This record gives sequence, structure tokens and C-alpha cells, in this order.
Amino acid sequence: KAGVTQTPRYLIKTRGQQVTLSCSPISGHRSVSWYQQTPGQGLQFLFEYFSETQRNKGNFPGRFSGRQFSNSRSEMNVSTLELGDSALYLCASSWDGGTGELFFGEGSRLTVL
Amino acid sequence: QQPVQSPQAVILREGEDAVINCSSSKALYSVHWYRQKHGEAPIFLMILLKGGEQKGHDKISASFNEKKQQSSLYLTASQLSYSGTYFCGTDSGGSNYKLTFGKGTLLTVNP
Repeated sequence: KAGVTQTPRYLIKTRGQQVTLSCSPISGHRSVSWYQQTPGQGLQFLFEYFSETQRNKGNFPGRFSGRQFSNSRSEMNVSTLELGDSALYLCASSWDGGTGELFFGEGSRLTVL
Repeated sequence: QQPVQSPQAVILREGEDAVINCSSSKALYSVHWYRQKHGEAPIFLMILLKGGEQKGHDKISASFNEKKQQSSLYLTASQLSYSGTYFCGTDSGGSNYKLTFGKGTLLTVNP
């Protein structure tokens, strides 16, 4: 069974640009969550999607957005990049996003110069 | 509100025990524990639900004190493979659909 796949794995952008990250969940999983991981801050919740609907959103500015497609694949977008957006962005999938186990991808490491 | 983990870091020798604590200021429905090795994805260890029993997996177990809104992860007779960063994630229930993770505890097990 294939795990959670995130692309691209690494990317470098400059301030002001935008970026789109992709996440393919485990087959059959309908919930996709996104987290930002930075040194010393742990995993910060960005948003969660289930059946193409955003059910919860973390405390991030509107520059961070996401969506989920009918096949449960998800994308997140960050516009007008800032230096502080440099981080590892992790996607996690689960059956229903409830109290079940989250299966994480290896992440997309974004560096903003 | 982000749960508070303690200690921030711990160094052990193989075979020693460790306890990692997770404390929240909010009422909790469940506590989740994950381990992340350097450069890898976090992996699930266990979930403790409100009203549930203490859980265990091999020599790693955890408890959940609902009244104190605290959870502890116990690592017994640590092995080199236990090294990594441990995160607790808390869920306040109510169809919240999100886990709020602590900042992590870096565990290093030396030979």
C-alpha cells in the first residue's frame, strides 16, 4: 500500500513569489491535513480537508490556502512568500480526520531567499 | 493552545528509562503520540482516549490523566532505535478535526 506522497520534496523560492505544494493521500483516505514544521516550534496546524471541504483552519494569514480534489489529493498554496515561510510542510492523511491515526508524508522543504 | 512538553531534550544510555510529559491548558478528548527521526516523516505511536486505559506498545507505554489534562510517555529499557523527536498531539473533541502538537522532545539514546 503506497504511503502519503508529497511533491516537490525540495524547493527554493524568492520573496514575493508563490508556491504550490501537492499531497497524494493513502488510497481510501478522505481527510488531508497540512502542518508547518519549523525548528523549535513543532508542527503548526494549517488546515484540514475532507471530501473537498475545509473543516478547520489554523492561525495562519490568508496567504496560506489549500484545496482538495474529488480524488482526495490536496494542494496548498502560499502567495507572496516571506522569509519566515521557510519550513518543512507536512501533509497527513487519515480515514476521517477524527481521532484516528495520521499518516504523514515526508514533507516538502521550502526555502525562501 | 499548544500543549507543553517536558523535557525539551533528554540524553540516555541504552537500557535506561525515560518519561516525556505533555500538558494542556484545555480539556482534552484524546492525546496522540508521534515519533519523528531526523529527515523522516513522523510516525504514529499511540492514541489515548478520554476514559480509556493506559496503552502500551513493546516497551513504550503512555498514560492520560483527564482531570489534570496531562499525558506521559514512558520509554523502558531504551534502545538506540528510540532516538528521535517525540511529539504529543492533543484533540479537544467537538468535531475539531485537528491535532495541536507540542514543540517536541528530542530523545537521544547512546550506546
